[in-house]
Amino acid sequence: GESVGLHLPTLSVQEGDNSIINCAYSNSASDYFIWYKQESGKGPQFIIDIRSNMDKRQGQRVTVLLNKTVKHLSLQIAATQPGDSAVYFCAERYSNYQLIWGAGTKLIIKP
Amino acid sequence: NAGVTQTPKFQVLKTGQSMTLQCAQDMNHEYMSWYRQDPGMGLRLIHYSVGAGITDQGEVPNGYNVSRSTTEDFPLRLLSAAPSQTSVYFCASSLRGGEQFFGPGTRLTVL
Repeated sequence: GESVGLHLPTLSVQEGDNSIINCAYSNSASDYFIWYKQESGKGPQFIIDIRSNMDKRQGQRVTVLLNKTVKHLSLQIAATQPGDSAVYFCAERYSNYQLIWGAGTKLIIKP
Repeated sequence: NAGVTQTPKFQVLKTGQSMTLQCAQDMNHEYMSWYRQDPGMGLRLIHYSVGAGITDQGEVPNGYNVSRSTTEDFPLRLLSAAPSQTSVYFCASSLRGGEQFFGPGTRLTVL
């Protein structure tokens, strides 16, 4: 799998600034994408999703952008807070309801 | 609703021992899956089920068995534990094609 042997990339952001977490997905036939947040010692939690017929979707303080041309997904978190510290995973769905997970990005909030 | 529950939370096994990780959900979800997560890595799909009586292999199925006799339960069996199976195991459930809800995880150490 794509996550084998990789160490988590890390993004450090000043508290109050906006965070942008990027993800490259693998299959152009994927029709649904999800961002999850995983805090230390816990299971992943759903943040926001987007279908392939959309380019942008907004939630509370979060925005997901989808660029199908270059198979790229991004998660923007506005006004980053200490509680946003976590590992963020993108996942894509392309068949049989299986999700293929990215390796994750660790977000660190600097006070 | 309890959501997705997993037992045990922690387990230590000796090489060659067998055991079953339990997973249950009370949301009447059709789709259930098992993932493993190694330190600093993403999630890898072990086995999944799209409904009672139906199971299929994921990315890393070797050394694991599953069954789905009811909609609620999806146990994962380790046949003969090996140190390479030391990991955190997450169970997840979802409605067809939708957001996956994760359990709290089982931390397994194989000596």
